[in-house]
Amino acid sequence: QVQLQESGPGLVKPSETLSLTCTVSGGSLSIYYWTWIRQPPGKGLEWIGYIYNSGSTSYNPSLKSRVTISVDTSKNQFSLKLSSVTAADTAVYYCARDRGDYPYFFDYWGQGTLVTVSS
Amino acid sequence: DIQMTQSPSSLSASVGDRVTITCRASQSISTYVNWYQHKPGKAPKLLIYAASSLQGGVPSRFSGSRSGTDFTLTISSLQPEDFATYYCHQTYSSIRTFGQGTKVEIK
Repeated sequence: QVQLQESGPGLVKPSETLSLTCTVSGGSLSIYYWTWIRQPPGKGLEWIGYIYNSGSTSYNPSLKSRVTISVDTSKNQFSLKLSSVTAADTAVYYCARDRGDYPYFFDYWGQGTLVTVSS
Repeated sequence: DIQMTQSPSSLSASVGDRVTITCRASQSISTYVNWYQHKPGKAPKLLIYAASSLQGGVPSRFSGSRSGTDFTLTISSLQPEDFATYYCHQTYSSIRTFGQGTKVEIK
């Protein structure tokens, strides 16, 4: 059974970089699209981006200038870095697995982690 | 980017009601649409993939359909556990997008 678990600081100061890690157990990082999604309080789901083939990425254009997704296959982890954060980046952040082949869908999710941007 | 315009943003319904939620894509996307159910404090749950295929373990009262660039999620008889927020999601583009969400509340 595949399991995903987000980890990282729950509080980040404005203008700093938000860093989260998703640890994948029960499966390999190959083949699939490893994805970050967020939900600001009271708002809907927002797709942030994904990484696949151990390095190829696709990002939400509205966040692209600030986002980096990377993968560490030796630890079976992938990570999110979001720079120059503001209060608008306060959200529950989810990692998820996109099947990477048709029909594409998110079949496994982490439970989500709340990140608050505040001084 | 492909925009998914979802409606309504919220609705009130009673147990047993038939509920319909619609997403309109900004361009042709074939059947590259999924539907998720999201409850507070939990990860979203896949209901329908490829526009009309029911995910394993999901009750048959949920169904999906497509007409051109319009996609519909139908709950044939609303149950108490169905009160949640529902999202459509397109995977036609390498830049994935969600609809704005529909909150289904108890009438």
